[in-house]
Formats: sequence, C-alpha cells, structure tokens
Amino acid sequence: QSALTQPASVSGSPGQSITISCSGSDSDVGSYQFVSWYQQHPGKAPNLVIYEGTKWPSGVSHRFSGSTSGNTASLTISGLQPEDEADYYCCSYAHSSTWVFGGGTKLTVL
Amino acid sequence: EVQLLESGGGLIKTGGSLRLSCAASGFTFSMYALSWVRQAPGKGLEWVSTISGDGITTNHADSVKGRFTISRDNSKNTLYLQMNSLRAEDTAVYYCAKVLKVKQERSGWDSWGQGTLVTVSS
Repeated sequence: QSALTQPASVSGSPGQSITISCSGSDSDVGSYQFVSWYQQHPGKAPNLVIYEGTKWPSGVSHRFSGSTSGNTASLTISGLQPEDEADYYCCSYAHSSTWVFGGGTKLTVL
Repeated sequence: EVQLLESGGGLIKTGGSLRLSCAASGFTFSMYALSWVRQAPGKGLEWVSTISGDGITTNHADSVKGRFTISRDNSKNTLYLQMNSLRAEDTAVYYCAKVLKVKQERSGWDSWGQGTLVTVSS
C-alpha cells in the first residue's frame, strides 16, 4: 500500500490553468478506472471534485477535469480562481479492496 | 441533505482503546458502503477501513489490521470504529465518509463528516 506520488506544490495566476499529476503503479492507477480527486481547504473536510478518473459529482464546476494515462492520473483546473487555493489529493482503488491516497499537493493562486 | 457526525475522539494513552461513532442521516443508510479516513496533524489523507452496506464485507489498511475493527448498525444509522492497542502514530483526525454510488464502493466518497480528533500519548 505505497502512497501515490504527487508534487508537493503547484501555483498559478487567476485565469490560468494548472495540472496536478498523480503517479501510481500497475496495482492501483494502472489497473483500475477508479481514481478520485479531493479538494481540502484548511481545517475543513475533503470535498470530492472528480471520480472514476474523469467524471464530475453533482455541483462541481467543470473547470475541474481529470484524465488517466497508464499509471498516472492528472487533475487540471482551468480558469483559476482565488477560492481554488487548497490542498488536492488523488486516491485510487487498489488490489485486495484497499484504497491509496497521494501525499497531497498545495495549490497556491498567486 | 446528507449529514455525517463523528464522535468519540479524545486523548488516550498508548496501548489504550477507543470507539469512534458516526451518526448518519439524509440517505438510505444500508444501501451505501462507508469508510474511515484519517489525517495526521499537518499530513495527508490515509484510508483506514471500509464496510459494505450490509455490514458483511470489511477491509482495513495494513497499518491498522488486527488492531482496528469497522462495524455498523443499520438499525441505528451509525458507523463505528473500534480502535485497540493504540499507538502514537494513530494520532489523527478521523473522518467517516459515504461512498458515492449505491452498492459500489470503488468510485470515491462524496460526503464527509467534520472529523473527530484522536490523540495518542504516553
């Protein structure tokens, strides 16, 4: 159950687009189409923004988009807004009915 | 509106036991798998345990296997986490989370509680 690998931090200016990568293995991201992404503001519970790699939960802005290629998943946020500043976590279903998270990425909106 | 309310956290000595509860409302409780996810202070999220809607199937992370037990009471709409042999590294905010889809736990968690803090210290 090794953690997925995410960059520690990314940044962008309002209106720009950023992409956060999430690197896994053949045991998780590469084998299952069940990658989810969570936004977490300081002191708050996580909030689901993408599920099954590319799908939007009800009420989530389509400025958030997800993709997967091989063992790597990505979250792209377009048209950055100040309220997007938060921590972002990827998560993948893995073998033997377990789940593994990435270490998290801190997004700074400049 | 889905609501998840955790309770039972607190300060506990190393080697001690604690039971967390999560009271749920706003959805058909028995139709959804539920999980516990924890976050150590200043650290990332870590999946802990998941239980199926009917309570029959459970899974635990290697880091807690043999020490923690997830369970649920569908008549009380309540999820539990029994934590035994607690260690300092179990110190974290513990969240209960509801899966997105009925009878399918792989897609992610769309509702989370506010979390309850467990502090393990000697």
